[in-house]
Amino acid sequence: AQSVAQPEDQVNVAEGNPLTVKCTYSVSGNPYLFWYVQYPNRGLQFLLKYITGDNLVKGSYGFEAEFNKSQTSFHLKKPSALVSDSALYFCAVRGISSGSARQLTFGSGTQLTVLP
Amino acid sequence: DTEVTQTPKHLVMGMTNKKSLKCEQHMGHRAMYWYKQKAKKPPELMFVYSYEKLSINESVPSRFSPECPNSSLLNLHLHALQPEDSALYLCASSQDSVRFFGPGTRLTVL
Repeated sequence: AQSVAQPEDQVNVAEGNPLTVKCTYSVSGNPYLFWYVQYPNRGLQFLLKYITGDNLVKGSYGFEAEFNKSQTSFHLKKPSALVSDSALYFCAVRGISSGSARQLTFGSGTQLTVLP
Repeated sequence: DTEVTQTPKHLVMGMTNKKSLKCEQHMGHRAMYWYKQKAKKPPELMFVYSYEKLSINESVPSRFSPECPNSSLLNLHLHALQPEDSALYLCASSQDSVRFFGPGTRLTVL
């Protein structure tokens, strides 16, 4: 069975500082990895994905994520945080098997707060 | 049109009521989903429709009944719900493995 771990429930960072939101995964075969962001009372919004290719993936709003196969990690990063980045972030993995394994498995979420 | 829309935004219903949630997308996506999300928790998959046919039901109680009238529409019919069913209900469609989520319907069951 596939799984995702987001070890930090809460991450606080000062505006202008770099931010990292951590994610590790477990899946059979090559993973499809995703980051989504959710603002209060809204649906989830796609940020970026890794399927194959360059280990550094660039996404929306200046976010990027680095795929590390040996550490089974896919941490989300941004060089300079904005107050408007404050939101709930979900990492997700999808396997390549059929049926339910092709569905997204979400991590528990990390609440990012950027302090002015 | 590059979004998923959901109506209503908010819904309050009693345990004996019957109501429906509606979802619409015009991106040509052939897979559509219903998720349930509790506060500060990840979304939980309920149903998957592929090419207008129900392909996955994640053991959802029968008081939730999905319907896919056509490739752009997805409904979720609700009947005899329980207070613990109160949650944000999210619809999504997908292309190239990416889920596009609607803003959700905030459901409160009294």
